[in-house]
Amino acid sequence: GQNIDQPTEMTATEGAIVQINCTYQTSGFNGLFWYQQHAGEAPTFLSYNVLDGLEEKGRFSSFLSRSKGYSYLLLKELQMKDSASYLCAVRDSNYQLIWGAGTKLIIKP
Amino acid sequence: DSGVTQTPKHLITATGQRVTLRCSPRSGDLSVYWYQQSLDQGLQFLIQYYNGEERAKGNILERFSAQQFPDLHSELNLSSLELGDSALYFCASSVEAGARTDTQYFGPGTRLTVL
Repeated sequence: GQNIDQPTEMTATEGAIVQINCTYQTSGFNGLFWYQQHAGEAPTFLSYNVLDGLEEKGRFSSFLSRSKGYSYLLLKELQMKDSASYLCAVRDSNYQLIWGAGTKLIIKP
Repeated sequence: DSGVTQTPKHLITATGQRVTLRCSPRSGDLSVYWYQQSLDQGLQFLIQYYNGEERAKGNILERFSAQQFPDLHSELNLSSLELGDSALYFCASSVEAGARTDTQYFGPGTRLTVL
């Protein structure tokens, strides 16, 4: 079967750095997406990785290792507004998105 | 603002009833996706349409159906509603199916409450 694993919940301190991991086992791989979702709101697109390595976008970076079936989302200089769920999704060989259950990130002052 | 619109924002109805949720994709997008998200749960993919045709089906109940019209807007019909159908229903759209970089953009959602 297809599976995406993320930690259920993480806590970090304002101003710090946090890394949210995602491991996947899917039938084929055509890219990995990260989305941010605030409670009761729509998911918003953060990043896309299809090749190994690090993609940086301001305070957010996303890393991919296809051989290890592994990605992480790195958030720097955490702000209270970063409190949200972070969803990892993988596009499989049928070009369908397989979604993880999401990681709830709690930021403390 | 993603450019995807959904109506209504909120819907309260009773068990056994039928409702229709509406979605208009971003300008130029041909694919529409429907998702269900129950309280504190992950996104559950229901169904995808591409240019008017059903492209993929997820965990969609037989009581639920959808269609995409020639103007590319889509409707999700939920019938014989049960308490457990209470959830946020999201629509997403993307340019095309079958492209590696194709990115889904989500509408604001419809919150359905079944009493």
